[in-house]
Amino acid sequence: DAKTTQPPSMDCAEGRAANLPCNHSTISGNEYVYWYRQIHSQGPQYIIHGLKNNETNEMASLIITEDRKSSTLILPHATLRDTAVYYCIVRARTGKLIFGQGTTLQVKP
Amino acid sequence: DAGVIQSPRHEVTEMGQEVTLRCKPISGHNSLFWYRQTMMRGLELLIYFNNNVPIDDSGMPEDRFSAKMPNASFSTLKIQPSEPRDSAVYFCASSFVLQAGVGPDTQYFGPGTRLTVL
Repeated sequence: DAKTTQPPSMDCAEGRAANLPCNHSTISGNEYVYWYRQIHSQGPQYIIHGLKNNETNEMASLIITEDRKSSTLILPHATLRDTAVYYCIVRARTGKLIFGQGTTLQVKP
Repeated sequence: DAGVIQSPRHEVTEMGQEVTLRCKPISGHNSLFWYRQTMMRGLELLIYFNNNVPIDDSGMPEDRFSAKMPNASFSTLKIQPSEPRDSAVYFCASSFVLQAGVGPDTQYFGPGTRLTVL
């Protein structure tokens, strides 16, 4: 099962784009990349997922490199409410989501 | 739409007591997951069901833990007897998949049950 590597923490100014990187160099061809976030002690919240192509929804954009070994989650206009732990996950072949330590994003005024 | 519903939201019990956590998945979903989150171990999968059948229980810590899914709209996680090291936040999540392990599988989490075992 592919593992992911994320920076432990990042800061972003309110109103600016937050770009959260993730490395998943051992990803296989049919494995999806998922992003979730967890605000304080709430349940993790689904953000977006992708396989090969870039994806965009109302929350964020997901940019996946052509070789699929890394991806970037983009929050186009970060707000204070986006302060959270962001998890990049490659879904295992068994179907399980294996959560790592994630990136703690602090959005500052 | 109602999301995943968990009860109770908070549970405080004494060591040795039986604890039952409950989960109602999103209507129409056919997969259900139980996770545990602690500061030390982070968020870890305990067990997951597909079409009410346990598919992978390798994350269940020991025989004191058991989970059931008697129907598509209800699941329980039971700890008997409970121990202080079981103190954690327990999350339930649900999703819809055509085939377990194939294709996208977007899981939606409940608000969690915070368990404290004294």
